[in-house]
Amino acid sequence: DVKVTQSSRYLVKRTGEKVFLECVQDMDHENMFWYRQDPGLGLRLIYFSYDVKMKEKGDIPEGYSVSREKKERFSLILESASTNQTSMYLCASTTGGNTGELFFGEGSRLTVL
Amino acid sequence: AQSVTQPDIHITVSEGASLELRCNYSYGATPYLFWYVQSPGQGLQLLLKYFSGDTLVQGIKGFEAEFKRSQSSFNLRKPSVHWSDAAEYFCAVGPRSGNTGKLIFGQGTTLQVKP
Repeated sequence: DVKVTQSSRYLVKRTGEKVFLECVQDMDHENMFWYRQDPGLGLRLIYFSYDVKMKEKGDIPEGYSVSREKKERFSLILESASTNQTSMYLCASTTGGNTGELFFGEGSRLTVL
Repeated sequence: AQSVTQPDIHITVSEGASLELRCNYSYGATPYLFWYVQSPGQGLQLLLKYFSGDTLVQGIKGFEAEFKRSQSSFNLRKPSVHWSDAAEYFCAVGPRSGNTGKLIFGQGTTLQVKP
C-alpha cells in the first residue's frame, strides 16, 4: 500500500514563528502536493512539485514556501505563522502517470495562537 | 473558471436508507472525476473514479457514481447506508493531461447517519 506520512499530526505555534510541516511518501511518486482544508471551503492547493528541487504555486501560495530536496520528501514552510494559517494541512502524492489519483497523508492540524 | 460544487453541506440519513450526494462541476473539457471520503481525524481515501467508458462506476464500500456529461454532474450513491459511512465526502475533478494530480475539490458534504 502507498503510505504518505505527515510527521506532525497536531501542532500549536505562536504568531511569527517559523513552522515546518514534513511529508514523506514511500512509493517513489514523482508528484507531491500540499493542500489546505478549511470547513466550507474544501481543499485548496498551496504548492505542488513534479520533481526534486522543482515547485509550482497552487491557488493559495501566499505566506507559504516549500522544499523538495529528495524525491520522497516534501516540506511546507510557514516563514512567519499567522492566526489565519490555523488549518488542517494535507499532503498528497501521485505517480507521474496520467491517472490523477492522489494518495493522502492523515493531515497536520496547525493552530497558531 | 474551473470549479466543483457540492450543493449539500450536511446530509442526515437513517441507517439502511439510500443515499445520493450531488456534485456538479465547471471545467473546460471533460475532466477526470473522483469521490474521496474522509473519516474523522483521517486523511482522504479514494472511493471511486471516472476516466472513460461506462458512465456508471463502482467503488469501494458499496458506493457507485454516475457521470452525466449533459448535466456536468457526478453524483455519488449508495443503496443502503451503514453507520460507518458517517464521514465527509469530497468530489474532485482533474485534468486529463498536463498537471496530473492537480485536483479541484468541492466544499465537501458531511454525512450523518441516524441509528
